[in-house]
Amino acid sequence: DTGVSQDPRHKITKRGQNVTFRCDPISEHNRLYWYRQTLGQGPEFLTYFQNEAQLEKSRLLSDRFSAERPKGSFSTLEIQRTEQGDSAMYLCASSLGWDSTYEQYFGPGTRLTVT
Amino acid sequence: KNQVEQSPQSLIILEGKNCTLQCNYTVSPFSNLRWYKQDTGRGPVSLTIMTFSENTKSNGRYTATLDADTKQSSLHITASQLSDSASYICVVSAKGNEKLTFGTGTRLTIIP
Repeated sequence: DTGVSQDPRHKITKRGQNVTFRCDPISEHNRLYWYRQTLGQGPEFLTYFQNEAQLEKSRLLSDRFSAERPKGSFSTLEIQRTEQGDSAMYLCASSLGWDSTYEQYFGPGTRLTVT
Repeated sequence: KNQVEQSPQSLIILEGKNCTLQCNYTVSPFSNLRWYKQDTGRGPVSLTIMTFSENTKSNGRYTATLDADTKQSSLHITASQLSDSASYICVVSAKGNEKLTFGTGTRLTIIP
């Protein structure tokens, strides 16, 4: 257990529905990252936060995706009008520092299945 | 484009044997390289992290090497155990870039 938690662990939804995932980072960590991982692939960067500020978003993050970290603690990732191509593992990671030299601690992930 | 390639894609070995996984990268300018272990259905867990000046780092039965000149890294696992069955992912970061570049991983299976 790395100290990063995600909820839910699994989500099955029908195409067109909205889903929201939550990530609770390690409490003193100011950086929070979201990744998406499809079967047999490495994680792909989606977005990251420094405290409550969203500093970068990947081109993978279409308009249907939105992420927030309202108080600089937990974060949510919402997918609107889900599509079958959204089926993946969504991973959250947190780190203490402000650049890539700091260790990122990953949560267990949320497995999304869109039917 | 920053890329990380790993080989082999999958590997099956007998319990107790050693193995070596490979990673080649084109990330520039190089900042650091990490090896992660990812159990099925779980998030990745860090094994080692190496900067430009480090050419070897150990974590128990795991030993990572780095050749920054040839842009290659390897992860050597000694005396494998059944619990070593997992995907091993090589991750490289560039200076001044927040994003990590992940390889697709090597799926390692240890059989009794």
